[in-house]
Amino acid sequence: GAVVSQHPSRVICKSGTSVKIECRSLDFQATTMFWYRQFPKQSLMLMATSNEGSKATYEQGVEKDKFLINHASLTLSTLTVTSAHPEDSSFYICSARGAIAGEFYEQYFGPGTRLTVT
Amino acid sequence: GQNIDQPTEMTATEGAIVQINCTYQTSGFNGLFWYQQHAGEAPTFLSYNVLDGLEEKGRFSSFLSRSKGYSYLLLKELQMKDSASYLCAVTDSNYQLIWGAGTKLIIKP
Repeated sequence: GAVVSQHPSRVICKSGTSVKIECRSLDFQATTMFWYRQFPKQSLMLMATSNEGSKATYEQGVEKDKFLINHASLTLSTLTVTSAHPEDSSFYICSARGAIAGEFYEQYFGPGTRLTVT
Repeated sequence: GQNIDQPTEMTATEGAIVQINCTYQTSGFNGLFWYQQHAGEAPTFLSYNVLDGLEEKGRFSSFLSRSKGYSYLLLKELQMKDSASYLCAVTDSNYQLIWGAGTKLIIKP
């Protein structure tokens, strides 16, 4: 099946600094990538949807100037958490959806990134 | 609005069968997914239904009734490793995934 990687898997940063998370589709071209956030014992919350080469579409309540998303190629999307604060500590998961012949619109998930802001 | 409902938590015994229900109300329908998520990990795909009926895949089966806005995930011969959260998600008319809050399944020996 399709594989999505995410890097780093864990990151600890100080309050006020920025953190970049990478999401890569390894064996398919991801025309659309999704960024989710998940707090403990809660369901996935979609933050934004990005299509290759265009600006990301953010969900209501998600600050686009704080969570910068760049989908520069069909295999790479990055999420940068700028001026991180302790309340940004969460599990960030990306998923990718591509035009795979014969496949339905399944999203393939990366392994997630655990962000801790101290 | 769009809404997906599933029980918050269920408990079952190792070796038994459990059925996790999901009801949905969405703007359009282009398929229903079930994902498994272990604590601290990303979701993994279990099943996909777009037509009414039962899809069987090993110990797991998923059922869909579009007219009732209803699906269930059936897990047979439960194993301890099946302890996880099970997420129901529906693709709406814009092919956006609408997520349920997940059902935490606890398996007891």
